[in-house]
Amino acid sequence: LAKTTQPISMDSYEGQEVNITCSHNNIATNDYITWYQQFPSQGPRFIIQGYKTKVTNEVASLFIPADRKSSTLSLPRVSLSDTAVYYCLVGDSPNTGNQFYFGTGTSLTVIP
Amino acid sequence: GAVVSQHPSWVICKSGTSVKIECRSLDFQATTMFWYRQFPKQSLMLMATSNEGSKATYEQGVEKDKFLINHASLTLSTLTVTSAHPEDSSFYICSARGYEPPKAYEQYFGPGTRLTVT
Repeated sequence: LAKTTQPISMDSYEGQEVNITCSHNNIATNDYITWYQQFPSQGPRFIIQGYKTKVTNEVASLFIPADRKSSTLSLPRVSLSDTAVYYCLVGDSPNTGNQFYFGTGTSLTVIP
Repeated sequence: GAVVSQHPSWVICKSGTSVKIECRSLDFQATTMFWYRQFPKQSLMLMATSNEGSKATYEQGVEKDKFLINHASLTLSTLTVTSAHPEDSSFYICSARGYEPPKAYEQYFGPGTRLTVT
């Protein structure tokens, strides 16, 4: 079971790009990397998922180096509404028997 | 698509009573559903994993006789907190996973249920 390590908190000004890195040294061959966003008193929301290299969707990019021991979520031009907790998950697929680990998450605060 | 609902969104009950929380996948069939508990300013703690038609698998330290999980159909799972006590007050969240990609590789989370035991 690959545990993850993320910074506890980050601050950013509006309009800036934010990069949140997650370490997962024990990632297994079949593990995917998934990022979720959670607002207070709400369930998490899927942001992006990847296996290797780079994945981009309409809200974020995910960078995964060749050794896959870390991953970086990139949020372009953040706004106040991006203030939330961001979780990195490793595993989280039927291929891994639904074994995954929800780490502490990173609390992002966007400042006007 | 891929909407998960929970009911109720909040509930207040008296100590010693039981409370049932429903989790439904509204527009897809969920092979697996997960139940989490989250305390203020803490991460999600996985309580149990349930597959349709089979017994739930509980995480270490979670009392299966206290937190009864029933995954009766491919769209419904219920969590019953029996003989609730104030320390059970928390935010309970469910998630669902579908059969095939991409729904098989994401968890779709419900909005959560706030339980307060007085």
